Amino acid sequence: DGGITQSPKYLFRKEGQNVTLSCEQNLNHDAMYWYRQDPGQGLRLIYYSQIVNDFQKGDIAEGYSVSREKKESFPLTVTSAQKNPTAFYLCASSHIGGPVFTDTQYFGPGTRLTVL
Amino acid sequence: LAKTTQPISMDSYEGQEVNITCSHNNIATNDYITWYQQFPSQGPRFIIQGYKTKVTNEVASLFIPADRKSSTLSLPRVSLSDTAVYYCLVGDNNNAGNMLTFGGGTRLMVKP
Repeated sequence: DGGITQSPKYLFRKEGQNVTLSCEQNLNHDAMYWYRQDPGQGLRLIYYSQIVNDFQKGDIAEGYSVSREKKESFPLTVTSAQKNPTAFYLCASSHIGGPVFTDTQYFGPGTRLTVL
Repeated sequence: LAKTTQPISMDSYEGQEVNITCSHNNIATNDYITWYQQFPSQGPRFIIQGYKTKVTNEVASLFIPADRKSSTLSLPRVSLSDTAVYYCLVGDNNNAGNMLTFGGGTRLMVKP
């Protein structure tokens, strides 16, 4: 069953702690993305990766870190430096390149992080 | 990156056709137009994508005029389950970075 999985669905952390959100895909996609969504708002790009061992900052990377050691996995760490970490976090993946643009981003179910 | 503008919200009734228009005046030659649907507490879901003229699939149609500065998502005979936020995006997969920008979207409320 192909798709993107994110875990956990709900996550609580104390202020000052780092926390890592998991994202795994078995779609054989090259690119993976992390977005943040606040209530009533659109999605904002945190980080993205087009290839293993390489990633780029998005619009709101401060206070976050990522790694891409495997094609299937793109974990996001929310560090204590992130001022307002409570949000809904979405991971996505897509194919890249080719003669025809087919950049459909497939999204995971999301992780809702609450900082207590 | 091309910026998009869409209405913040729309109301409709079951069985009606809904048209949501998106403006993208700065669309580039290589950009495609993509629409996503998002339900509360879920990830967005791809609806339809097009480059010019008209595209139709099993859930929606996408109308794109010749100048490509706008596009209209058409949902035929909506039902209550179509209540969601709809995002219009423009982007080029071959552009380094592939940074699609999700705006605030259009909140569609379908009433009985």
